Amino acid sequence: DGGITQSPKYLFRKEGQNVTLSCEQNLNHDAMYWYRQDPGQGLRLIYYSQIVNDFQKGDIAEGYSVSREKKESFPLTVTSAQKNPTAFYLCASSIAGTGAEKLFFGSGTQLSVL
Amino acid sequence: AQSVTQLDSQVPVFEEAPVELRCNYSSSVSVYLFWYVQYPNQGLQLLLKYLSGSTLVKGINGFEAEFNKSQTSFHLRKPSVHISDTAEYFCAVTPRPAAGANNLFFGTGTRLTVIP
Repeated sequence: DGGITQSPKYLFRKEGQNVTLSCEQNLNHDAMYWYRQDPGQGLRLIYYSQIVNDFQKGDIAEGYSVSREKKESFPLTVTSAQKNPTAFYLCASSIAGTGAEKLFFGSGTQLSVL
Repeated sequence: AQSVTQLDSQVPVFEEAPVELRCNYSSSVSVYLFWYVQYPNQGLQLLLKYLSGSTLVKGINGFEAEFNKSQTSFHLRKPSVHISDTAEYFCAVTPRPAAGANNLFFGTGTRLTVIP
């Protein structure tokens, strides 16, 4: 079955540590996205990529970094510069140019600070 | 710029009763409108969308929504809820034409709790 796989499901970060969240899709989608979800808030866009080897900052990119070396993969690194990393992180993908009506989401990673 | 307001953060309702989840938006341009559902520890699943045409949109799981341009609203309704409808519901908008999902604006969500 085609879909988006996020791992791990739960992740813990120590102070000053960088952690990487994995997102893999086998839908052959060009575009991939990372959102952050906090309780009582909507989703906020961190980074997105419309094509391999290219990505753009979203609304809250500070303290995060991404790479897009392969079409299937869009890992997100939460760096030590992100002072409030505890949140639920959602990865999504779509066919480039189709917009929000064709967006597929992964099942998320819950990141917590120890 | 676009913004979305979901007026109710929590809505408790008894099983088999009707429910309405409210969504209002603000935009200087025409928009597409969406409702998503999120079950615990899951990603978002598209319930329904309004792109054009009839203002009454039917979605999955018996939900429907009506686009009201004059009131800038897109309220979600279901005539009879089930326990399995307990979830978080998000309204979202994107400006036309939606070239990419990077311009998707979400509301803060409404937690629907169905009481047996």
